[in-house]
Amino acid sequence: AQKVTQAQTEISVVEKEDVTLDCVYETRDTTYYLFWYKQPPSGELVFLIRRNSFDEQNEISGRYSWNFQKSTSSFNFTITASQVVDSAVYFCALSEAEASGSARQLTFGSGTQLTVLP
Amino acid sequence: EAGVAQSPRYKIIEKRQSVAFWCNPISGHATLYWYQQILGQGPKLLIQFQNNGVVDDSQLPKDRFSAERLKGVDSTLKIQPAKLEDSAVYLCASSLEGGLGETQYFGPGTRLLVL
Repeated sequence: AQKVTQAQTEISVVEKEDVTLDCVYETRDTTYYLFWYKQPPSGELVFLIRRNSFDEQNEISGRYSWNFQKSTSSFNFTITASQVVDSAVYFCALSEAEASGSARQLTFGSGTQLTVLP
Repeated sequence: EAGVAQSPRYKIIEKRQSVAFWCNPISGHATLYWYQQILGQGPKLLIQFQNNGVVDDSQLPKDRFSAERLKGVDSTLKIQPAKLEDSAVYLCASSLEGGLGETQYFGPGTRLLVL
């Protein structure tokens, strides 16, 4: 089973529409972190947000907002009034304590390609 | 503050050839990661360094891939010999200490095409 599932492979919206990108995760740990990254066509992964498992407050940053719900193991990302520059691949990722060793790798979902049309 | 630097940005080689990628992390970051991102997928960790020591290389195909971070700063990832399935983007990332939940900052990646 995948640890991070982004079921939406591609989404297209028209500029100024709101769009929500879904992320469902799986972990046995009580302490873990969730991340969202943006990957524009240039290829670099740009950090957007980090949330720890003990903080379920929703976060808003400008046009971006995040809804973390432990009950459904989801960490969804909403862009309000989308713009063409938001077109990119968005990745959700999980960082959890490993049972052995000290590796702190990020486990990524397969990404959602968002296209915002003018 | 300068970000993670990688070179080259693009590389095209034929199968069975060798190739090397270079990464310079953010200054002061002790932890360095190499990820492989195949088209249409999320990045997958190949190896993690803490200073000049390897923390995790369980997903590194050691028969053909090698990596080093001799002085605990910049790092080199090598593939020898390359296979067609190695075509991917190789991303380098760094974080301050490698602790749980630390944000990893990524470089622009090296796009490798093996013909």
